[in-house]
Amino acid sequence: QVQLQESGPGLVKPSQTLSLTCTVSGGSISSGSYYWSWIRQPAGKGLEWIGRIYTSGSTNYNPSLKSRVTISVDTSKNQFSLKLSSVTAADTAVYYCAREERAPGATRFDYWGQGTLVTVSS
Amino acid sequence: QSVLTQPPSVSGAPGQRVTISCTGSSSNIGAGYDVHWYQQLPGTAPKLLIYGNSNRPSGVPDRFSGSKSGTSASLAITGLQAEDEADYYCQSYDSSLSAHVVFGGGTKLTVL
Repeated sequence: QVQLQESGPGLVKPSQTLSLTCTVSGGSISSGSYYWSWIRQPAGKGLEWIGRIYTSGSTNYNPSLKSRVTISVDTSKNQFSLKLSSVTAADTAVYYCAREERAPGATRFDYWGQGTLVTVSS
Repeated sequence: QSVLTQPPSVSGAPGQRVTISCTGSSSNIGAGYDVHWYQQLPGTAPKLLIYGNSNRPSGVPDRFSGSKSGTSASLAITGLQAEDEADYYCQSYDSSLSAHVVFGGGTKLTVL
């Protein structure tokens, strides 16, 4: 059974960089069948896709966040990471990592981490 | 403003049938891209409920079903149960955006 677990600081100061890591267990992050994504959800609001990485290191980002986002992968540790720079209070949210299954019609998220709350505040 | 439009809320009594719509456009659902549905119980991560418009992952009761027609998709829940009270999200792909992944705004299902 694949499991994903987010880790990182729960509190980040405005203008600083938010950094999170997702550790994957029960499966290899190097599998070619999947992307590895980050999704966030502000309190009481909907889901927002942040971006994804493939095992090769290629990335896609949500255009609304692209200038501030970097996603990287460490296959030796079976982990992938998110960095979001110049954060503001609007970046306060629960951040999820998820496995994204590559599919012909539209990719889908079949496994999710439990989520981690990141608060941006001084 | 979400690319995929869902009603903010729906409700139904136990045992009843409810449907949740997901309306898109010619660049996403109408272009033939699949729609997936997620269930998010309070305080938990979303869970894949329906994939590829109408397929259920292993373990999802057959009370849940999905369909797609034109630029819209629907999630139907029959035999409503108290534990179905949750937020439901649709998701697809949009060819006009570089975002690749688009979600609906979510629908809160209340079991009366």
